[in-house]
Amino acid sequence: TQLLEQSPQFLSIQEGENLTVYCNSSSVFSSLQWYRQEPGEGPVLLVTVVTGGEVKKLKRLTFQFGDARKDSSLHITAAQPGDTGLYLCAGDRSNDYKLSFGAGTTVTVRA
Amino acid sequence: ETGVTQTPRHLVMGMTNKKSLKCEQHLGHNAMYWYKQSAKKPLELMFVYNFKEQTENNSVPSRFSPECPNSSHLFLHLHTLQPEDSALYLCASSQVAGGPDEQFFGPGTRLTVL
Repeated sequence: TQLLEQSPQFLSIQEGENLTVYCNSSSVFSSLQWYRQEPGEGPVLLVTVVTGGEVKKLKRLTFQFGDARKDSSLHITAAQPGDTGLYLCAGDRSNDYKLSFGAGTTVTVRA
Repeated sequence: ETGVTQTPRHLVMGMTNKKSLKCEQHLGHNAMYWYKQSAKKPLELMFVYNFKEQTENNSVPSRFSPECPNSSHLFLHLHTLQPEDSALYLCASSQVAGGPDEQFFGPGTRLTVL
């Protein structure tokens, strides 16, 4: 059983559509991060959320941390082909360096 | 370009070979990490070094041997690997180990064990 469950595993949409990716756990996290990983590259940090109920926006991307700090979502508005990649969530349970990663959601945006 | 470089980018080795992966960070960080990324599985933390001292070994088999000669360089020495060790090996660095400090990842070494 994975500590962080991401859904869906795969998502393929047309350019201009909206999408939401979920990251769920039964554990409480002191912070949660979202990364995007493109083919042939390492993950790149998009955002860190630390407060329950927090909402952060990064251009067309909206990140939300659940009130109980056990789950998070990533919403992309009007997706573009450049949004294609593997989206990973990672949580820090005890404010140490041990990030627990989800298995990721592969997003493909078709032109 | 994240400031973390890894070489080689691709490596194919037999089970009896000995090889090494190299990671270098140009960010002035003091913590470095090795992760294993297998298909459809979460990234697995393998080792953590903080100020050149190993602070975490996440139950990694002894056929993987890390080395951190200074805060800028990290190696992963490989010997008598198994086919199931085939994966993308990612190096990362952060200012220090601890807290929600951003980790910067290298592009990874794609390892195939025959």
